[in-house]
Amino acid sequence: KAGVTQTPRYLIKTRGQQVTLSCSPISGHRSVSWYQQTPGQGLQFLFEYFSETQRNKGNFPGRFSGRQFSNSRSEMNVSTLELGDSALYLCASSFVGTGADNEQYFGPGTRLTVT
Amino acid sequence: AQSVSQHNHHVILSEAASLELGCNYSYGGTVNLFWYVQYPGQHLQLLLKYFSGDPLVKGIKGFEAEFIKSKFSFNLRKPSVQWSDTAEYFCAVNAPGTYKYIFGTGTRLKVLA
Repeated sequence: KAGVTQTPRYLIKTRGQQVTLSCSPISGHRSVSWYQQTPGQGLQFLFEYFSETQRNKGNFPGRFSGRQFSNSRSEMNVSTLELGDSALYLCASSFVGTGADNEQYFGPGTRLTVT
Repeated sequence: AQSVSQHNHHVILSEAASLELGCNYSYGGTVNLFWYVQYPGQHLQLLLKYFSGDPLVKGIKGFEAEFIKSKFSFNLRKPSVQWSDTAEYFCAVNAPGTYKYIFGTGTRLKVLA
């Protein structure tokens, strides 16, 4: 079974621009979560989607948004980029169903650099 | 507020030394607990998890962790580390049935050959 895939793997953007990152979950996984990883801060939860609905949201400004499609693929968007948005953005997917646990499977991440 | 603390930010050990990484959490109610590892250039991988039952949990690669409810702790241990254990280790918690994980800031472990 293929793992979680994220595209692109690397991205360089300029302050003020916007960016869209993509995540394809493991086949059969319907929950997709997004995290921001920075040195010193660790991983911080952005949001979680299930059945095209945002179920949970972290403490990030409204510039960070996401969506999920009917095939469970997810995108996150960051508008008006700031230097502090430079980070590794991780996507994680989970199987949701009877007897399923909460285990999340992580993708390789998208390294975003804002200049 | 929900939080996870990992007090050791950097740990350096020689091969065959014993390892214990601390993890304390602040979270109201029942929790699930996880340890993830991130080897250089690789994805985050699950080392072990605790949902319920025996508080001593065994994971992959000889790692184990003990859940002590009274201390809100879930420390990771390994009796004898190897050079290949060099990685960053993250402790995480969540509420059962949810998919919002709260992670600690991570501990970078370097094992000297």
